[in-house]
Amino acid sequence: KAGVTQTPRYLIKTRGQQVTLSCSPISGHRSVSWYQQTPGQGLQFLFEYFSETQRNKGNFPGRFSGRQFSNSRSEMNVSTLELGDSALYLCASSLEAVLSSSYNEQFFGPGTRLTVL
Amino acid sequence: GENVEQHPSTLSVQEGDSAVIKCTYSDSASNYFPWYKQELGKRPQLIIDIRSNVGEKKDQRIAVTLNKTAKHFSLHITETQPEDSAVYFCAASSDVRDDKIIFGKGTRLHILP
Repeated sequence: KAGVTQTPRYLIKTRGQQVTLSCSPISGHRSVSWYQQTPGQGLQFLFEYFSETQRNKGNFPGRFSGRQFSNSRSEMNVSTLELGDSALYLCASSLEAVLSSSYNEQFFGPGTRLTVL
Repeated sequence: GENVEQHPSTLSVQEGDSAVIKCTYSDSASNYFPWYKQELGKRPQLIIDIRSNVGEKKDQRIAVTLNKTAKHFSLHITETQPEDSAVYFCAASSDVRDDKIIFGKGTRLHILP
């Protein structure tokens, strides 16, 4: 089974631009979660999508948004980029919603490293 | 909101010795506590998790203990090996209130030869 894939792997943008990141979950997985990883803040939860619906969202401004398609692929969009948005963005997929009562191990993708200049 | 504190931030242990990483959480409604291992340049991987209805869970050399009263949980690695060197993240969440997963800042574990 192919793992979680993310595209692009590396991205360089300038302040004020917008960016769209893509995540393809493991086949059959319906939940996709997004995380931001920085040296200073560690791993921070952005949002989770399950069956095309956003289940919950972390403490990030409205510039961060996402969506999920019927094939469970998910995109994350960041508008009006700021220098502080430079980070590794990880997505993770699981069979069911992360906190459902069923088996819900999350599998992470390799990440997209975003650099904002 | 939920806050997760993780200690220590860096830990060095001799190969073969045990390593313990501790996390505390603030939200008493938290009931799911996963641990992730992230090797240098690689993605995080779930290594063990525990739900609040049990106090301890073991998987070979790895164990996690949970003290709900004190609101802390710990990762124990016994007979450490060089491949255990990595950053370890704890996390806490609740499926009762909201489902945000809050991570600790991570512990960099060095296994010394």
